[in-house]
Order: sequence, then C-alpha cells, then structure tokens
Amino acid sequence: NAGVTQTPKFRVLKTGQSMTLLCAQDMNHEYMYWYRQDPGMGLRLIHYSVGEGTTAKGEVPDGYNVSRLKKQNFLLGLESAAPSQTSVYFCASSSPRGGAYEQYFGPGTRLTVT
Amino acid sequence: GQSLEQPSEVTAVEGAIVQINCTYQTSGFYGLSWYQQHDGGAPTFLSYNALDGLEETGRFSSFLSRSDSYGYLLLQELQMKDSASYFCSFSPPDSWGKLQFGAGTQVVVTP
Repeated sequence: NAGVTQTPKFRVLKTGQSMTLLCAQDMNHEYMYWYRQDPGMGLRLIHYSVGEGTTAKGEVPDGYNVSRLKKQNFLLGLESAAPSQTSVYFCASSSPRGGAYEQYFGPGTRLTVT
Repeated sequence: GQSLEQPSEVTAVEGAIVQINCTYQTSGFYGLSWYQQHDGGAPTFLSYNALDGLEETGRFSSFLSRSDSYGYLLLQELQMKDSASYFCSFSPPDSWGKLQFGAGTQVVVTP
C-alpha cells in the first residue's frame, strides 16, 4: 500500500498563476484533509471532506478551493496564487472510527510563490 | 475559543527523559492526540488519550487529565532519532473528524 501520496512534491509559481495539488489515498478512508504548515508553526486546516462529493471549510480556507469527486482523491486548487500562500501543504486521511484522531499524512508539497 | 499551548523547544541528552506538556482550552473534546514530525518529513501519529490516565507505547507514554485540561508526552531513553517536533492536537467540539494542532515542541537531543 502506498498510503497517502501527493503530487507534485515541489512547485514554484508566479503571483497570479493557478495550480492544482493532487492527493490520493489507497486506504479506503472516508475523511480527507488539506493542511498548510508555515515555518515554526503547527498545521492549519484549509479544507476537509467527510465523504465523496462533500467538502467543508477549515480554519484558513480563503484563496483555496477543493473537490472530492472520487473517494480516493482530494484536490486542492489555488486560483490566483499570492506570496502569502508560500508554504508546505500536507494532505491527510483518516477513518471515522473513533473520531478520526489518527490521521495519515502524505509527504507534502513545497510551494513557493514569487 | 479553542487553543493548545506547548513549549517551543526542549533540549536533552541521549538517554535522558523528556516531558512535553500540553495545556488546552476548549468547551468539550473527545481526546488528545500526539504527532511526531522530523525535519522535512510528514507528521506521524504517536498516541491518543480518550480517558484520563497514562497510555504507554514502548519508550513513549502519553498522559491526560481532563479536569486540569492538561496532557503530556513522555519520551524515555532518548535517542538521537527522537530529535523532531512533537504536536498535541484535539478535535474541537461539534467537529467530529477534525483536528486542531498546537504550534509544536522541537525536541533537540544532544550526544
């Protein structure tokens, strides 16, 4: 099992460009999440999904959109990138059993916006 | 509101014991989780306390006191590979399936 995978691993964007980050999991998990992590800080939830076709806003959703068309995939889109979106982006998934306290993370995408 | 507080950094020598404290504020929660993250890596799940008391997993133990809104992660027989950031987290009330993370504690293990 690959677990949670993310593509791409690195990306450099110019201000105003758009991109989509792809997350895939092969554990048949219902829940999926997108976080961002800035230097020296914890993880902040951007958007999450509790099932195929459903998404919800997290703590810092502005400037991002998401879609969950298939259970195994969760896409994060940046429509018009800004330097403030320079960060490391982590995708995670979990099972709803027990409150989803155990989340499995992907390796991360390091995004720089110039 | 909801918040978690933990020290920013702890330094200890190999073989020692380190305790990372986590205090939280929330109107209700399901339990406290701990994650480890090495530099450049992804967070990995370490432990979860739903009830008061101590949970032991090898060299690592985690403790929760709901009445004190307090928990800690205990790292015993420290090894160089334990140098990492450690995050406590909880599910905010009415947010089944979501986790809120503390800012993390960087543990530095010296020879």
